[in-house]
Amino acid sequence: QKEVEQDPGPLSVPEGAIVSLNCTYSNSAFQYFMWYRQYSRKGPELLMYTYSSGNKEDGRFTAQVDKSSKYISLFIRDSQPSDSATYLCAMSARDYGGATNKLIFGTGTLLAVQP
Amino acid sequence: ETGVTQTPRHLVMGMTNKKSLKCEQHLGHNAMYWYKQSAKKPLELMFVYNFKEQTENNSVPSRFSPECPNSSHLFLHLHTLQPEDSALYLCASSQLITGPRTYEQYFGPGTRLTVT
Repeated sequence: QKEVEQDPGPLSVPEGAIVSLNCTYSNSAFQYFMWYRQYSRKGPELLMYTYSSGNKEDGRFTAQVDKSSKYISLFIRDSQPSDSATYLCAMSARDYGGATNKLIFGTGTLLAVQP
Repeated sequence: ETGVTQTPRHLVMGMTNKKSLKCEQHLGHNAMYWYKQSAKKPLELMFVYNFKEQTENNSVPSRFSPECPNSSHLFLHLHTLQPEDSALYLCASSQLITGPRTYEQYFGPGTRLTVT
C-alpha cells in the first residue's frame, strides 16, 4: 500500500465550480499536511499548509484534515481557468522541533477549469 | 536571479554519456533536495543535503551521483543512465529551523531529461 494515495484525474470542471481534491494516507505519524500547486513546465509551489487536524482557509482555498480517517482535502471555490494545474498533496511526520524535511507526496491531480 | 534555478532545462543524452544537472538557490537556505518526477507517479525524494552534508539517499542507483559543494549549489552527476531514468528532475531548498516550517520547500523549474 502506498503511503499516500491521490487520484491522478484529470478533473475537468466549468469556471465557477467548487472543486474538491483529496488524498488518503496510511502513516499515522504524519502531522503536517501540505498542498502544492504545479503549473505546466514549472516546479511545485506551496499553496496551503495545515498542522494536525482541522480546517484552514485562505481566500478561495480551504484545506481540511481528518486524522481519524487519514483523509485530507483541498476545496477551491469559484474556480478560475488560472487554477488549472496539477495539485499535489504532501505530508510530513514530526521530528524534534517540528516537521521533518522529508516530504511524502501524492501522485498529483490534474485539474482543468474550463472557461 | 531569484528563487531556485536549474540548468539545463532540457537534456537529451545517450545511455553511455556523462552529464551533470545544476541547481542554485538564492534564498539563503541550508537544505537542498533532488526529486524525480515521472508521469502518474508521486514525486520521489532522491537525496537530501542538510548544511552541505548528505542525510538521505533514498535507495538511488549509483549511476546518479549528487554533489553539494556549498549550501547554495547542488549538482546531480549522471552516467550510464537507462531509458527508464527519463523524467523531470526537480531541485528544492528549504530552511532548517526549529519549529513547524521545515515543510516549506521551494522548487526549481526542473530539468526534463530524456535518455535515448
